Amino acid sequence: GAVVSQHPSRVICKSGTSVKIECRSLDFQATTMFWYRQFPKKSLMLMATSNEGSKATYEQGVEKDKFLINHASLTLSTLTVTSAHPEDSSFYICSATSPLSGFYNEQFFGPGTRLTVL
Amino acid sequence: KNEVEQSPQNLTAQEGEFITINCSYSVGISALHWLQQHPGGGIVSLFMLSSGKKKHGRLIATINIQEKHSSLHITASHPRDSAVYICAVRPGNQFYFGTGTSLTVIP
Repeated sequence: GAVVSQHPSRVICKSGTSVKIECRSLDFQATTMFWYRQFPKKSLMLMATSNEGSKATYEQGVEKDKFLINHASLTLSTLTVTSAHPEDSSFYICSATSPLSGFYNEQFFGPGTRLTVL
Repeated sequence: KNEVEQSPQNLTAQEGEFITINCSYSVGISALHWLQQHPGGGIVSLFMLSSGKKKHGRLIATINIQEKHSSLHITASHPRDSAVYICAVRPGNQFYFGTGTSLTVIP
């Protein structure tokens, strides 16, 4: 199957700083990438859908100015948590798909990034 | 109201047991996914189903579109199967996730 990586896997930052998380599709071109957030013992919550070259579509209740998403190339999407606060501490997961690569309904998930804001 | 309901929430089994995890959904879908999340957090897609049944090794997934129900079966369970299993459905571009079933297989 296709491989999706995330970097960093774990990050600790001070309150008020910004943190960038990268999501890369390693062996296919991802026209669409999804960003999820997962709280402890809870399921994944879709934050936004990003299509290469266009603005991300955010789910209701997700602040677009707080969680900046950029999908500048077919292999890279970034999520920047701006002015992070302790309540932003969470596990962030990306996934990627691409009808162009034949993945019409499949999603390939990254390993996740654990963000801790002190 | 959850669009996707899973049962059971927690499951403990002895090694070798046959395991069934159930998923019911309330929306029309184009596909249903079974995902596996290990304690480290990484997620692996196990199956994508739109009808019938799929088998991969000791894992079997079935779906009944009319009843809006899917099951994931694990035969001859092993401690390495211990993980959270998540059902996800896709009506259009939106994904809805179940809250997951936490499986522990005891040697």
